[in-house]
Amino acid sequence: GAGVSQSPSNKVTEKGKDVELRCDPISGHTALYWYRQRLGQGLEFLIYFQGNSAPDKSGLPSDRFSAERTGESVSTLTIQRTQQEDSAVYLCASSATSGSRGEQYFGPGTRLTVT
Amino acid sequence: GENVEQHPSTLSVQEGDSAVIKCTYSDSASNYFPWYKQELGKRPQLIIDIRSNVGEKKDQRIAVTLNKTAKHFSLHITETQPEDSAVYFCAANQAGTALIFGKGTTLSVSS
Repeated sequence: GAGVSQSPSNKVTEKGKDVELRCDPISGHTALYWYRQRLGQGLEFLIYFQGNSAPDKSGLPSDRFSAERTGESVSTLTIQRTQQEDSAVYLCASSATSGSRGEQYFGPGTRLTVT
Repeated sequence: GENVEQHPSTLSVQEGDSAVIKCTYSDSASNYFPWYKQELGKRPQLIIDIRSNVGEKKDQRIAVTLNKTAKHFSLHITETQPEDSAVYFCAANQAGTALIFGKGTTLSVSS
């Protein structure tokens, strides 16, 4: 079946502009996660959805970052007034159940470059 | 919250040798410990995981051990091959929380 998909695959934007990144999880997966991976670095947790609610937003780096999920399906990560330090690959993952009961499947990521 | 430390950050071995990567975690409530492999430019993929009710799990050339008392777990790769070269991430969590990842280990296997 279809895996996790993300769009766009690449995004170049000017500093100060807003961007929206999209994640389509595996159908039926109730849990959805966003991570940020800077070049050569590890996976930095941003936010986690269980259904349409976000029980853990602790990783969002600033109030310029927000995310929503609708229909227990698609999620969008929005970065307002982008800064150069926002440049990274943004990875989305989904799992059939939350926490320790479900393997997380990753999407291919969106490479964001802020110039 | 959970904090995961991973060592070493880089590891170079000769083909056929074994490789061991170690992780420690801080939250004693964590009970799920997966390992992901990420090849250059690709997404992370799960290679093996272990839950807190077992101490060791093996799948062909890879194995993971868990010591809950000491709060550490390790990945063991035997008979390494060049295609094992990648970045490996450990992670930990408990029910209802997101996975927290270590910073990764870059494994290089030379033939």
